[in-house]
Amino acid sequence: DAKTTQPNSMESNEEEPVHLPCNHSTISGTDYIHWYRQLPSQGPEYVIHGLTSNVNNRMASLAIAEDRKSSTLILHRATLRDAAVYYCILTTIQGAQKLVFGQGTRLTINP
Amino acid sequence: DAGITQSPRHKVTETGTPVTLRCHQTENHRYMYWYRQDPGHGLRLIHYSYGVKDTDKGEVSDGYSVSRSKTEDFLLTLESATSSQTSVYFCATQGTYEQYFGPGTRLTVT
Repeated sequence: DAKTTQPNSMESNEEEPVHLPCNHSTISGTDYIHWYRQLPSQGPEYVIHGLTSNVNNRMASLAIAEDRKSSTLILHRATLRDAAVYYCILTTIQGAQKLVFGQGTRLTINP
Repeated sequence: DAGITQSPRHKVTETGTPVTLRCHQTENHRYMYWYRQDPGHGLRLIHYSYGVKDTDKGEVSDGYSVSRSKTEDFLLTLESATSSQTSVYFCATQGTYEQYFGPGTRLTVT
């Protein structure tokens, strides 16, 4: 499985934008880029996914580099509730998704 | 919210005893998964199911077995629990593009 690399931790202030980077230089043509987050004492929750084009949903935006070797999860106005560990994962959308979780990025939001 | 429940939510058991964790879903999803999470680490896949009676191993399957006799239920069994299996266990189902995770079961093996 292709690996991803994320910073161990990041810190931001409430109501400011947050850009969470992810490197995936060995991504294959069929890999989708998925982001999940895990709030304290909860199971992970899906945030967003994309293949080549930038994507937006109600939670976040995903910016994908043209060569697909990196991506950035964007939280437009962080709230205290966005404090979590964010995981960038490469996976398929066809068949079984055997997700491989790395260490993720622990995001701290300051009031 | 995919309507995933896990039982029990907490369990303390002794080394050598069998333990079964249950995952129940209400969304009729085909794929179901069991992961474990240890302190300071991401989740690791134990086993998964791609249909009733159809299961396969994940990354860390040694010491675990699974069964799926109904679409809605996926059971994880530790035949003889060891202290290294102390962990938080998450069940997940797969929707169209994404996985939905249950609340987790915290298992302590003493």
